Amino acid sequence: QITLKESGPTLVKPTQTLTLTCTFSGFSLSTFGVGVGWIRQPPGKALEWLALIYWDDDERYSPSLRSRLTVTKDTSKNQVVLTMAFMDPVDTATYFCVHIGSALGDFWGQGTLVTVSS
Amino acid sequence: QSVLTQPPSVSAAPGQRVTISCSGSTSNIKNNYVSWYQQLPGTAPKLLIYDNNKRPSGIPDRFSGSTSGTSATLGITGLQTGDEADYYCGTWDNSLSSWVFGGGTKLTVL
Repeated sequence: QITLKESGPTLVKPTQTLTLTCTFSGFSLSTFGVGVGWIRQPPGKALEWLALIYWDDDERYSPSLRSRLTVTKDTSKNQVVLTMAFMDPVDTATYFCVHIGSALGDFWGQGTLVTVSS
Repeated sequence: QSVLTQPPSVSAAPGQRVTISCSGSTSNIKNNYVSWYQQLPGTAPKLLIYDNNKRPSGIPDRFSGSTSGTSATLGITGLQTGDEADYYCGTWDNSLSSWVFGGGTKLTVL
């Protein structure tokens, strides 16, 4: 059974760096073809893809946010970490981590709401 | 402004059939697989359709997906009140080198 769970701060100040951790179980990020992605959703708005990392360390980023994002994996801990620099109130959103297997998001975490405010 | 265009809302009566369109371009839908996601109120999205028309285990065959050229369509038959949700299409865009989503469609079962 594949599960994912996001953790991190619920409130960050503008200009700070956000660090979110996705802790997963039921799969290994060293398995061929497997990846973990990050997607966010501002309140009442649509989904927005942020980044992903594959079993072979291939990293992909949203072009509009690339300069602010970093994604890393720790296969031994079954974790993927997303950092987003220079947070702004417009970055207030629910952040989801997802499993990539048959497709992006074949399994989703519950999401974590991050509010950016001073 | 989303790269993939979906109608903001659709509605139909219980038991009826509804379709949700997703319009893209040659850099995304025409040349890459499309996925569809269902987001029930207050919950995380769930994968409904992948690779244009495949259903993950546990997804009933009331849900179907198809593509034609630069457009994709999600079909839902035998509508139930429990199908009221937001539906999103998504795919990879070769020009942007980015995964892209539609703006979402809110389904109301009258």
